[in-house]
Amino acid sequence: DTAVSQTPKYLVTQMGNDKSIKCEQNLGHDTMYWYKQDSKKFLKIMFSYNNKELIINETVPNRFSPKSPDKAHLNLHINSLELGDSAVYFCASSQVSGGATDTQYFGPGTRLTVL
Amino acid sequence: AQKVTQAQTEISVVEKEDVTLDCVYETRDTTYYLFWYKQPPSGELVFLIRRNSFDEQNEISGRYSWNFQKSTSSFNFTITASQVVDSAVYFCALVGSGGYNKLIFGAGTRLAVHP
Repeated sequence: DTAVSQTPKYLVTQMGNDKSIKCEQNLGHDTMYWYKQDSKKFLKIMFSYNNKELIINETVPNRFSPKSPDKAHLNLHINSLELGDSAVYFCASSQVSGGATDTQYFGPGTRLTVL
Repeated sequence: AQKVTQAQTEISVVEKEDVTLDCVYETRDTTYYLFWYKQPPSGELVFLIRRNSFDEQNEISGRYSWNFQKSTSSFNFTITASQVVDSAVYFCALVGSGGYNKLIFGAGTRLAVHP
């Protein structure tokens, strides 16, 4: 019973293609996130959704579009992929209720390689 | 601005040595949370500890211990009697009170434990 799962684990594609990464959590959390880890291991937040509402949208190209069909899912769609999009993308979830800050639990990551 | 600095890029030790990973943070918030995550070679991000700004008690969990000092804005992590399985990249992270639960990560410290 995986807490935060992502599919696929590996994604290899050509420049210019469109791809999606899916994330699901079974922890009952109300907030989900996407983080990007670059080749130097640096981790940076991209988006955050609370109860299906976008609450964090960092400076990310418009080619990246998150979609949250329900509280348990947060997908990431990327249009017109570029070489610089190659990275590991992590999904995470946490419970943010009453302004409290709870721990974020991460999925296994999706390694995206753009050729 | 909020920032986390992990000045040690890489540390190499021999098994059974004690090792301390440094973390210095910057924030203007009076309420904030600090975290440590471990990223083993398999790539996932594993939560280790969460500490809020009002709780300066040090914590010990088995061979792991954490020293939180607000006076020096530091949250250091010590592994006692290191083992090869401790080899990983360790990230220190910060969430401020107004940051919508956005994790600000340090650059990470790569720990290599040799037999």
